[in-house]
Amino acid sequence: DAGVTQSPTHLIKTRGQQVTLRCSPKSGHDTVSWYQQALGQGPQFIFQYYEEEERQRGNFPDRFSGHQYPNYSSELNVNALLLGDSALYLCASSWRPGRLDYGYTFGSGTRLTVV
Amino acid sequence: QKEVEQDPGPLSVPEGAIVSLNCTYSNSAFQYFMWYRQYSRKGPELLMYTYSSGNKEDGRFTAQVDKSSKYISLFIRDSQPSDSATYLCAMSESGGSNYKLTFGKGTLLTVNP
Repeated sequence: DAGVTQSPTHLIKTRGQQVTLRCSPKSGHDTVSWYQQALGQGPQFIFQYYEEEERQRGNFPDRFSGHQYPNYSSELNVNALLLGDSALYLCASSWRPGRLDYGYTFGSGTRLTVV
Repeated sequence: QKEVEQDPGPLSVPEGAIVSLNCTYSNSAFQYFMWYRQYSRKGPELLMYTYSSGNKEDGRFTAQVDKSSKYISLFIRDSQPSDSATYLCAMSESGGSNYKLTFGKGTLLTVNP
């Protein structure tokens, strides 16, 4: 049973560029959340998608946007990249937004470096 | 004040030791408490999940939640070198439309053979 799949694994971008990160949730999961983990820090919530809609958003600027497709896969887009956007971007899938008892499954992340 | 505080360590113990990891929090609306383990270059994996106050045991791991003190703990008995990882506490209100996880900074644990 495949878990959460994220692509690409690593990415290097230049300041000002745009990037798209992709996530395929665990089989049976319909909700996708994105987190940003800076070096030495805990993950910070970016947003959550369910039924192809953004259900909740963290304290991130509008440069961060997302999408969820009918097959539950999701994309995270970041525009006008800043050096401070360098981080590990984690995708977490779950069944329904509020069912923490079923647990969140995290992918291994995409390591984004902005130069 | 951050919502969740966690001592980042690092913590180094000999194999077989009992490890105690802790987090404090300020948001009294948190109801769900979790401990995740994160190996280097990997995503977090759920270790323990607790709803509200109380203790929960799973093998060598015990999670405790004291909502009156806003304090949670994870104990690891008979620690093994394979337990070497970063341990993250996470919490959630999971009420209304607020389902996000709020994480601590993580504690880096090394268990020496």
